[in-house]
Amino acid sequence: EVQLVESGGGLVQPGRSLRLSCAASGFTFDDYAMHWVRQVPGKGLEWVSGISWNSGRIDYADSVKGRFTISRDNAKNSLYLQMNSLRDEDTALYYCAKDRGEGNSWYGFDYWGQGTLVTVSS
Amino acid sequence: QLVLTQSPSASASLGASVKLTCTLSSGHSSYAIAWHQQQPQKGPRYLMKLNSDGSHYKGDGIPDRFSGSSSGAERYLTISSLQSEDEADYYCQTWGAGYVVFGGGTKLTVL
Repeated sequence: EVQLVESGGGLVQPGRSLRLSCAASGFTFDDYAMHWVRQVPGKGLEWVSGISWNSGRIDYADSVKGRFTISRDNAKNSLYLQMNSLRDEDTALYYCAKDRGEGNSWYGFDYWGQGTLVTVSS
Repeated sequence: QLVLTQSPSASASLGASVKLTCTLSSGHSSYAIAWHQQQPQKGPRYLMKLNSDGSHYKGDGIPDRFSGSSSGAERYLTISSLQSEDEADYYCQTWGAGYVVFGGGTKLTVL
C-alpha cells in the first residue's frame, strides 16, 4: 500500500524558514518523480514544485521560485521542501504527491498524502 | 498560458448520474488530464488519467461508477449511481514541460 506522510508544518513568523518532509513507502521511491502541492483552507489546489527521480529535473511555481527548494533522499525514501523568506500568503496545507510516471517529465499524480499545515503569522 | 476551467458547483440526486466538465484553454485540446476527488477534511484522491481520445486509466480501488470521456477541449468525469460519499470537490489537473496546473475545482452536492 502506497503511503505518503508529511511532517514539519507549524506556526512560523513572516521572513523565517521551515522545512517540510514527506516519508514515502509502498512503492519504489527512486523510480518516480515527486511533487509538493498546497491548498489554502477552503480554496483550490496549487502546485508548488516537482522533482524527478534522480533530481535531474526540478521545477517551481513562480509564486515560490527563489524562496523554496525541493530535494529528495532516495536512500531514505524521503522528499523535502525547504521554505525560506516565508510570507503570510504561504499559509496553507502542504501535500506531498507521487507522479504517475518515471523519467524526467511530469505525468500527473496518482497518490497524495494527508498534508501538513503551515501557518505564517506574526 | 494553459488554463483549466471548471464550473464551481454541481448537484444531483442520490442514485442519479452527474457529468462534470473540465475545459482546456485554446491550443491545448490534445492534452491529457487527471481527475482527483477531495472529500471534506481529507487529502485529494486520484481517480483517473483521461486522454484526449477518451481512454482512461483509473486509480487503485476506484469503482466502475466513475468513468471519463473527452470531446475536443472538454474532458468529462461521469459519476453514476451517486452515493452520499461522492459529495466532494473534484479537480482536474494537467501538466507540461516545467509545470503542473489544476482547475479551480467543482463542488458536487448530492441531494
